[in-house]
Amino acid sequence: GNSVTQMEGPVTLSEEAFLTINCTYTATGYPSLFWYVQYPGEGLQLLLKATKADDKGSNKGFEATYRKETTSFHLEKGSVQVSDSAVYFCALSDLNQGAQKLVFGQGTRLTINP
Amino acid sequence: DAGVIQSPRHEVTEMGQEVTLRCKPISGHNSLFWYRQTMMRGLELLIYFNNNVPIDDSGMPEDRFSAKMPNASFSTLKIQPSEPRDSAVYFCASSLRGTGSNEQFFGPGTRLTVL
Repeated sequence: GNSVTQMEGPVTLSEEAFLTINCTYTATGYPSLFWYVQYPGEGLQLLLKATKADDKGSNKGFEATYRKETTSFHLEKGSVQVSDSAVYFCALSDLNQGAQKLVFGQGTRLTINP
Repeated sequence: DAGVIQSPRHEVTEMGQEVTLRCKPISGHNSLFWYRQTMMRGLELLIYFNNNVPIDDSGMPEDRFSAKMPNASFSTLKIQPSEPRDSAVYFCASSLRGTGSNEQFFGPGTRLTVL
């Protein structure tokens, strides 16, 4: 079945550091890939997405590239801010199988220190 | 748009009591999802609806849990009787099926504590 594996957290960085959160997936068909972010006390919100191989999703300085050859969708940001502290979830949805489900990774807690 | 609305935001109850969680999806959305989030198990999909019809309830933990969607603007998740292990944050999400995008919009969640 479909699954998503994220790098273990928590991750703690200093402000302006470079961020990478690894995400790999297993899927049949052609999944769309997503990164969601959850700020303290809130629900998840979509950060970025990519719908086909080699697509790059980007938003708020974050980027992720859909790599079919390595089945990966790593999240990156060149210079993090304290306000980026949150839990980040990688997810996939396999629309070609008619599934609307989002399969989520376990989440990675990110803390940015000033 | 007000976004997905959930109520209550916090619920504290005693074991054995009935609990009802409520959700109002974004107007015009035709799919609705109920999730449960805990530290141990992460984010789990419980059930989802398309056009008010339950499509997949394989994530519902047991018969104590039930969900309904009587119309396009309202859904409930009921736990009867509740148990301490049901303590979690319950999220409702909605999406617009058929647009080629599978983005789900989440509500703020209901934090349930069963004593």
